[in-house]
Amino acid sequence: RKEVEQDPGPFNVPEGATVAFNCTYSNSASQSFFWYRQDCRKEPKLLMSVYSSGNEDGRFTAQLNRASQYISLLIRDSKLSDSATYLCVVNMVGSGTYKYIFGTGTRLKVLA
Amino acid sequence: NAGVTQTPKFRVLKTGQSMTLLCAQDMNHEYMYWYRQDPGMGLRLIHYSVGEGTTAKGEVPDGYNVSRLKKQNFLLGLESAAPSQTSVYFCASGGGTGFSNQPQHFGDGTRLSIL
Repeated sequence: RKEVEQDPGPFNVPEGATVAFNCTYSNSASQSFFWYRQDCRKEPKLLMSVYSSGNEDGRFTAQLNRASQYISLLIRDSKLSDSATYLCVVNMVGSGTYKYIFGTGTRLKVLA
Repeated sequence: NAGVTQTPKFRVLKTGQSMTLLCAQDMNHEYMYWYRQDPGMGLRLIHYSVGEGTTAKGEVPDGYNVSRLKKQNFLLGLESAAPSQTSVYFCASGGGTGFSNQPQHFGDGTRLSIL
Protein backbone atom coordinates (compact mmCIF):
# COMPACT_ATOMS: atom_id res chain seq x y z
CA ARG A 1 0.00 0.00 0.00
CA LYS A 2 1.28 3.46 -0.88
CA GLU A 3 1.95 5.81 2.00
CA VAL A 4 -0.34 8.45 0.53
CA GLU A 5 -2.96 7.62 -2.08
CA GLN A 6 -5.17 9.82 -4.21
CA ASP A 7 -7.59 9.16 -7.02
CA PRO A 8 -5.79 10.57 -10.07
CA GLY A 9 -9.05 11.65 -11.74
CA PRO A 10 -9.64 13.64 -13.81
CA PHE A 11 -12.72 14.97 -12.15
CA ASN A 12 -14.64 16.89 -14.81
CA VAL A 13 -17.23 19.17 -13.25
CA PRO A 14 -19.32 22.09 -14.54
CA GLU A 15 -18.79 25.58 -13.24
CA GLY A 16 -20.65 26.13 -10.00
CA ALA A 17 -20.55 22.49 -8.97
CA THR A 18 -19.32 21.15 -5.66
CA VAL A 19 -16.54 18.59 -5.82
CA ALA A 20 -14.71 16.61 -3.16
CA PHE A 21 -11.45 14.71 -3.14
CA ASN A 22 -10.16 12.25 -0.60
CA CYS A 23 -6.64 11.26 0.25
CA THR A 24 -5.76 8.23 2.37
CA TYR A 25 -2.56 7.77 4.32
CA SER A 26 -1.08 4.62 5.77
CA ASN A 27 0.94 5.81 8.75
CA SER A 28 -1.21 6.43 11.80
CA ALA A 29 1.65 8.44 13.33
CA SER A 30 1.22 11.16 10.71
CA GLN A 31 0.81 14.54 12.32
CA SER A 32 0.56 17.29 9.73
CA PHE A 33 -1.56 17.42 6.63
CA PHE A 34 -1.77 19.83 3.73
CA TRP A 35 -3.44 20.39 0.41
CA TYR A 36 -1.39 21.92 -2.38
CA ARG A 37 -2.46 23.05 -5.80
CA GLN A 38 -0.24 22.49 -8.81
CA ASP A 39 -0.89 24.00 -12.22
CA CYS A 40 0.56 22.34 -15.28
CA ARG A 41 4.37 22.46 -15.23
CA LYS A 42 4.38 24.88 -12.29
CA GLU A 43 5.46 24.57 -8.70
CA PRO A 44 3.11 23.25 -5.98
CA LYS A 45 1.49 26.05 -4.04
CA LEU A 46 0.03 25.68 -0.59
CA LEU A 47 -3.75 25.74 -0.69
CA MET A 48 -4.42 25.06 2.96
CA SER A 49 -3.25 23.17 6.00
CA VAL A 50 -5.64 20.61 7.43
CA TYR A 51 -6.43 20.86 11.10
CA SER A 52 -7.92 18.21 13.33
CA SER A 53 -11.15 20.12 13.77
CA GLY A 54 -11.47 20.82 10.06
CA ASN A 55 -11.03 24.22 8.51
CA GLU A 56 -12.47 26.39 5.83
CA ASP A 57 -11.01 29.06 3.57
CA GLY A 58 -13.59 30.67 1.36
CA ARG A 59 -14.95 28.05 -1.01
CA PHE A 60 -12.52 25.41 0.24
CA THR A 61 -13.07 23.11 3.20
CA ALA A 62 -10.58 20.57 4.50
CA GLN A 63 -11.35 17.74 6.87
CA LEU A 64 -9.24 15.18 8.70
CA ASN A 65 -10.51 11.76 9.73
CA ARG A 66 -7.86 10.13 11.88
CA ALA A 67 -9.90 7.02 12.61
CA SER A 68 -10.17 6.16 8.92
CA GLN A 69 -6.85 7.81 8.03
CA TYR A 70 -7.93 10.15 5.31
CA ILE A 71 -8.18 13.83 4.59
CA SER A 72 -10.62 15.49 2.26
CA LEU A 73 -10.92 18.68 0.27
CA LEU A 74 -14.28 20.13 -0.69
CA ILE A 75 -14.56 22.86 -3.29
CA ARG A 76 -17.86 24.70 -3.55
CA ASP A 77 -19.04 26.82 -6.46
CA SER A 78 -16.22 25.63 -8.72
CA LYS A 79 -14.56 28.21 -10.95
CA LEU A 80 -12.75 27.66 -14.23
CA SER A 81 -9.63 28.86 -12.44
CA ASP A 82 -9.87 25.95 -10.00
CA SER A 83 -8.75 23.61 -12.78
CA ALA A 84 -5.48 22.17 -11.55
CA THR A 85 -3.98 19.13 -9.86
CA TYR A 86 -4.51 18.94 -6.11
CA LEU A 87 -1.77 17.30 -4.09
CA CYS A 88 -2.27 15.79 -0.69
CA VAL A 89 0.76 16.03 1.59
CA VAL A 90 1.32 14.18 4.84
CA ASN A 91 4.13 14.85 7.27
CA MET A 92 5.29 11.61 8.81
CA VAL A 93 6.81 11.58 12.24
CA GLY A 94 9.79 9.32 12.51
CA SER A 95 12.99 8.93 14.40
CA GLY A 96 14.88 12.05 13.37
CA THR A 97 13.33 12.20 9.93
CA TYR A 98 11.36 15.00 8.45
CA LYS A 99 9.32 13.36 5.79
CA TYR A 100 6.70 15.10 3.73
CA ILE A 101 4.99 12.46 1.61
CA PHE A 102 3.24 13.72 -1.49
CA GLY A 103 0.36 12.02 -3.19
CA THR A 104 0.45 11.84 -6.97
CA GLY A 105 -2.41 14.30 -7.17
CA THR A 106 -6.01 14.50 -8.26
CA ARG A 107 -6.65 16.35 -11.47
CA LEU A 108 -9.66 18.66 -11.59
CA LYS A 109 -11.14 20.15 -14.74
CA VAL A 110 -13.88 22.71 -14.34
CA LEU A 111 -15.89 23.04 -17.53
CA ALA A 112 -17.71 26.11 -18.79
CA ASN B 1 8.86 38.96 -2.06
CA ALA B 2 11.26 36.44 -3.62
CA GLY B 3 10.55 33.46 -1.34
CA VAL B 4 12.36 30.49 -2.89
CA THR B 5 14.40 31.10 -6.03
CA GLN B 6 15.85 28.39 -8.22
CA THR B 7 18.47 28.79 -10.90
CA PRO B 8 18.65 27.89 -13.69
CA LYS B 9 15.06 27.50 -14.92
CA PHE B 10 15.98 25.21 -17.83
CA ARG B 11 19.05 23.23 -18.77
CA VAL B 12 20.02 20.62 -21.31
CA LEU B 13 23.02 18.45 -20.55
CA LYS B 14 24.84 15.65 -22.28
CA THR B 15 25.30 12.34 -20.53
CA GLY B 16 28.31 12.49 -18.25
CA GLN B 17 28.32 16.25 -17.79
CA SER B 18 28.07 17.80 -14.37
CA MET B 19 26.10 20.74 -13.09
CA THR B 20 24.84 22.42 -9.95
CA LEU B 21 21.34 23.66 -9.26
CA LEU B 22 21.05 26.53 -6.85
CA CYS B 23 18.23 27.17 -4.44
CA ALA B 24 18.03 30.35 -2.40
CA GLN B 25 15.43 31.31 0.20
CA ASP B 26 14.94 34.58 2.01
CA MET B 27 12.50 33.40 4.68
CA ASN B 28 15.13 32.37 7.24
CA HIS B 29 13.92 28.76 7.16
CA GLU B 30 16.01 26.08 8.79
CA TYR B 31 14.75 23.25 6.60
CA MET B 32 15.34 22.95 2.89
CA TYR B 33 14.59 20.15 0.44
CA TRP B 34 15.27 19.01 -3.10
CA TYR B 35 12.59 17.02 -4.94
CA ARG B 36 12.21 15.63 -8.39
CA GLN B 37 8.90 15.20 -10.16
CA ASP B 38 8.37 12.80 -13.02
CA PRO B 39 5.20 12.25 -15.07
CA GLY B 40 2.64 10.17 -13.21
CA MET B 41 4.63 10.22 -10.00
CA GLY B 42 4.46 12.33 -6.91
CA LEU B 43 7.30 14.50 -5.75
CA ARG B 44 10.16 12.38 -4.53
CA LEU B 45 12.64 13.67 -1.99
CA ILE B 46 16.25 13.59 -3.12
CA HIS B 47 18.06 15.20 -0.19
CA TYR B 48 17.16 17.57 2.58
CA SER B 49 18.79 19.75 5.19
CA VAL B 50 17.65 20.63 8.68
CA GLY B 51 20.06 23.50 9.09
CA GLU B 52 23.23 25.16 7.89
CA GLY B 53 26.01 22.64 7.47
CA THR B 54 23.71 19.61 7.58
CA THR B 55 22.43 17.35 4.83
CA ALA B 56 20.59 14.05 4.76
CA LYS B 57 19.46 11.56 2.15
CA GLY B 58 15.91 11.34 1.02
CA GLU B 59 14.09 8.73 -0.96
CA VAL B 60 16.11 8.88 -4.20
CA PRO B 61 19.60 10.25 -3.40
CA ASP B 62 21.72 8.19 -5.78
CA GLY B 63 23.55 10.24 -8.39
CA TYR B 64 23.12 13.51 -6.51
CA ASN B 65 25.06 15.44 -3.91
CA VAL B 66 24.08 18.48 -1.91
CA SER B 67 25.63 21.17 0.21
CA ARG B 68 24.26 23.72 2.67
CA LEU B 69 27.17 26.02 3.43
CA LYS B 70 24.91 28.99 4.08
CA LYS B 71 21.50 28.90 5.69
CA GLN B 72 19.83 30.57 2.75
CA ASN B 73 21.32 28.37 0.03
CA PHE B 74 20.92 24.70 -0.79
CA LEU B 75 22.85 23.34 -3.77
CA LEU B 76 22.07 20.17 -5.69
CA GLY B 77 24.87 18.66 -7.76
CA LEU B 78 24.86 16.09 -10.50
CA GLU B 79 28.39 14.77 -10.87
CA SER B 80 27.83 12.67 -13.98
CA ALA B 81 24.42 13.26 -15.51
CA ALA B 82 22.41 10.30 -16.78
CA PRO B 83 19.26 10.29 -18.96
CA SER B 84 17.32 8.88 -15.98
CA GLN B 85 17.89 12.20 -14.24
CA THR B 86 15.79 14.03 -16.81
CA SER B 87 13.11 15.56 -14.64
CA VAL B 88 11.68 18.69 -13.10
CA TYR B 89 13.51 19.59 -9.91
CA PHE B 90 11.85 21.57 -7.16
CA CYS B 91 13.48 23.11 -4.16
CA ALA B 92 11.43 23.82 -1.06
CA SER B 93 12.03 25.46 2.27
CA GLY B 94 10.13 25.60 5.51
CA GLY B 95 8.35 22.78 7.19
CA GLY B 96 9.83 20.90 10.07
CA THR B 97 9.00 18.03 12.30
CA GLY B 98 5.63 16.44 12.06
CA PHE B 99 4.40 18.30 15.09
CA SER B 100 5.15 21.73 13.75
CA ASN B 101 2.39 21.80 11.15
CA GLN B 102 4.54 24.07 9.04
CA PRO B 103 4.12 23.82 5.27
CA GLN B 104 6.83 23.86 2.67
CA HIS B 105 7.25 26.65 0.14
CA PHE B 106 8.45 25.78 -3.34
CA GLY B 107 10.61 27.40 -5.95
CA ASP B 108 9.31 27.46 -9.50
CA GLY B 109 11.39 24.52 -10.62
CA THR B 110 14.28 23.62 -12.89
CA ARG B 111 13.52 21.65 -16.02
CA LEU B 112 16.52 19.45 -16.74
CA SER B 113 17.00 17.29 -19.82
CA ILE B 114 19.86 14.85 -20.17
CA LEU B 115 20.60 13.70 -23.69
